[in-house]
Amino acid sequence: GDSVTQTEGQVALSEEDFLTIHCNYSASGYPTLFWYVQYPGEGPQLLFRASRDKEKGSSRGFEATYDKGTTSFHLRKASVQESDSAVYYCALISGGSNAKLTFGKGTKLSVKS
Amino acid sequence: DTTVKQNPRYKLARVGKPVNLICSQTMNHDTMYWYQKKPNQAPKLLLFYYDKILNREADTFEKFQSSRPNNSFCSLYIGSAGLEYSAMYLCASSSRDREGERLFFGHGTKLSVL
Repeated sequence: GDSVTQTEGQVALSEEDFLTIHCNYSASGYPTLFWYVQYPGEGPQLLFRASRDKEKGSSRGFEATYDKGTTSFHLRKASVQESDSAVYYCALISGGSNAKLTFGKGTKLSVKS
Repeated sequence: DTTVKQNPRYKLARVGKPVNLICSQTMNHDTMYWYQKKPNQAPKLLLFYYDKILNREADTFEKFQSSRPNNSFCSLYIGSAGLEYSAMYLCASSSRDREGERLFFGHGTKLSVL
């Protein structure tokens, strides 16, 4: 079945640090890849997505590039802020008429000012 | 309004008792989902409705029931709660645009079974 593996546990950074959260996937066909962000007390919300090889998704300074060769979709941000503290989920939907989103375990980002 | 609403936000249940969680959306989405999230685990899809058709995942088939009386509402029902049901339950609905499918999530219901 489909699976997503991402940087586990917690990432602790200071403001203006560079962020990388790794995401690798295993899926049949050509999945659509997502990054979701979940702030405390809220549900996950879409950060951005990509559906083609080499496509770059981006939002709020975050970006990730779909790489079918390495089956990866790593999340990066050049300069994090305290307000970026949240849980980040990498996810995918692979084919079919009913979209079933498969998530990674999530990575908790804590940014200190 | 792109919100999915869930009630209640917190739920306390006794072992062996039934639990009913409620979700609603006003976006006229055809598909609604229920996910279970436990600490240090990925959110796990339990079931989803496409229109009036219920699809339950094979490994949770007998543990959860659901109903969708109309397009806007969807419930998750546990007939007899066990300690292993303690988790966050996330409801979502989805729409399709030119980039593909997109899921919108509620804030979740945290269920504690004692």
